[in-house]
Amino acid sequence: DIQMTQSPSSMSASVGDRVTITCRSSYNISDYLNWYQQKPGKAPNLLLYAASSLQSGVPSRFSGRMSGTDFTLTIASLQPEDFVTYYCQQSYTTPYTFGQGTKVEIK
Amino acid sequence: EVQLVESGGGSVQSGGSLRLSCEASGFSVEMSYVTWVRQAPGQGLEWVSLIYSGGTTYYAASVKGRFTISRDTSKNTVYLQMNSLRREDTAVYYCARDMGYDSGYTRLDYWGQGTLVSVSS
Repeated sequence: DIQMTQSPSSMSASVGDRVTITCRSSYNISDYLNWYQQKPGKAPNLLLYAASSLQSGVPSRFSGRMSGTDFTLTIASLQPEDFVTYYCQQSYTTPYTFGQGTKVEIK
Repeated sequence: EVQLVESGGGSVQSGGSLRLSCEASGFSVEMSYVTWVRQAPGQGLEWVSLIYSGGTTYYAASVKGRFTISRDTSKNTVYLQMNSLRREDTAVYYCARDMGYDSGYTRLDYWGQGTLVSVSS
């Protein structure tokens, strides 16, 4: 199975900060990478797919990039509702594995 | 409007069985891909199973041979039959529409609210 390693597992930041979360795949998955946001007690919500394509309805402060097997999710200016957990997922081959998650907390 | 509603969760003893249902509206499960994802209490997301529009199915290694995904197109519903349940299967189970049928890029764009499965020894 392809392993997805997210870092950091948690981070503290302030409203207005620019934050970056990294996801590294154990295999070359091209741009088959999704990012999800999950609020407590809720189902995940798709933010980006194909590494950098913004899902309809998602604010433009979210962006994604890739470099080889490294992927980043950047939030340009953290808003109060962004202090939740983020997951990457490879969509290259089954099983479509997720990263372990990154929790963004208020500093 | 696309919606998915899971049901069938509950408490069961180890070795028992449950069947989860995922009733879809706003799209056809016959023409789409549908995925099950689970989340153990306080843990991350785990991909479980997928059914393609053509009927091909895939499973995570942790459930292969014990879980079966299927669908009833007349009811626009996808099922997850779970047999030989173990304590480590305890989780909230979500079904989600997989848009991979559209562009080849699998991504889960609509999710249900989840149903809790609790397995005790």
